Amino acid sequence: DGGITQSPKYLFRKEGQNVTLSCEQNLNHDAMYWYRQDPGQGLRLIYYSQIVNDFQKGDIAEGYSVSREKKESFPLTVTSAQKNPTAFYLCASNREALSNQPQHFGDGTRLSIL
Amino acid sequence: AQKITQTQPGMFVQEKEAVTLDCTYDTSDPSYGLFWYKQPSSGEMIFLIYQGSYDQQNATEGRYSLNFQKARKSANLVISASQLGDSAMYFCAMREPSGGSYIPTFGRGTSLIVHP
Repeated sequence: DGGITQSPKYLFRKEGQNVTLSCEQNLNHDAMYWYRQDPGQGLRLIYYSQIVNDFQKGDIAEGYSVSREKKESFPLTVTSAQKNPTAFYLCASNREALSNQPQHFGDGTRLSIL
Repeated sequence: AQKITQTQPGMFVQEKEAVTLDCTYDTSDPSYGLFWYKQPSSGEMIFLIYQGSYDQQNATEGRYSLNFQKARKSANLVISASQLGDSAMYFCAMREPSGGSYIPTFGRGTSLIVHP
């Protein structure tokens, strides 16, 4: 079955440490997205990519970095510059960046600080 | 200003009854799409229903329907015959043009609890 796989499901970060969240899709989708979800805040866009080797900042990109070297993969690195990284992170994709395309989501990664 | 507003943090409904979840949006672009997603406690986001800005008819998908009032900029989700499994967070989202793409924006969500 096609879908989006996020790993790990739970992740713990030490102070000053960078951590990378994995997102892989086998849907042959061009567009991929990273969201952060805090309680009561809904989903906020961190980064998105419409094509390989290209990505754009979303509303809350500070303290995060991404890469898009392959169509299937869009990893998110939470750097030590992100002072409040504890949140639920969701990766999403859709075939292309059209208005009538619903997004497909992974199951998410919960990141906590040790 | 928020692009998507969901004014109901929490809603309660009796099993088998209908419930309406409110969503208003703000855009000046004539071309946009409106979406509703369900997020159970496990965390995954499940697409429920879509309404395009040029669609004349309200969208329906099984027990879900979207009450689209364009002049009021509202896109309320109606769930008929509620089931216990409908208990979840519900998010309204909009995609509008931005720099050659259609960037999604989500509301803060409404928590729905279905009582037996």
